[in-house]
Amino acid sequence: EPEVTQTPSHQVTQMGQEVILRCVPISNHLYFYWYRQILGQKVEFLVSFYNNEISEKSEIFDDQFSVERPDGSNFTLKIRSTKLEDSAMYFCASSALGAITDTQYFGPGTRLTVL
Amino acid sequence: SQQGEEDPQALSIQEGENATMNCSYKTSINNLQWYRQNSGRGLVHLILIRSNEREKHSGRLRVTLDTSKKSSSLLITASRAADTASYFCATVGDNYGQNFVFGPGTRLSVLP
Repeated sequence: EPEVTQTPSHQVTQMGQEVILRCVPISNHLYFYWYRQILGQKVEFLVSFYNNEISEKSEIFDDQFSVERPDGSNFTLKIRSTKLEDSAMYFCASSALGAITDTQYFGPGTRLTVL
Repeated sequence: SQQGEEDPQALSIQEGENATMNCSYKTSINNLQWYRQNSGRGLVHLILIRSNEREKHSGRLRVTLDTSKKSSSLLITASRAADTASYFCATVGDNYGQNFVFGPGTRLSVLP
């Protein structure tokens, strides 16, 4: 069964450094998403991406964040200057159709630790 | 903004018993989905129920939706130790929007 994959599984970085989290969505899906989950808290929406552009973003997704689909398979989340409070699990998801009609399939997550 | 809120926050049962978790939300929705998360792992989709549906079944799972009360319930019958996980509801609004709003989850422990 096709699945969403994410790399790395765990990323440790120093405050102020840039990180890139990578995701490979399911191949025939058109909508891509990033969510984060701070330890012990809710899963929070960051951004959705369709047709090579951001379709929706939350208040969390400020100027330090960016997303890109650099080729036909990868979908990346870049955090430009990490802060301690960026430490969280970051989940990528994809869906064939938009969330209003379709299931989102989540990857296993990347645990980001900012020291 | 709409928000899914599950209750109870934690539930502990014996293997073989049924587990019921509830989710409430604030605004009108297009659909509601339940996910499972094993400790430190990703989210696994369980079931999607649309706003015009009242009940859906999938194996040992039964989901109900009451849009008048803005609530949903997830029933797991004949629970197993492997069902131990956190369960989240996620709602999608009925206006244009592509993101989920997740509740805080119910942590289910099934004791052997």
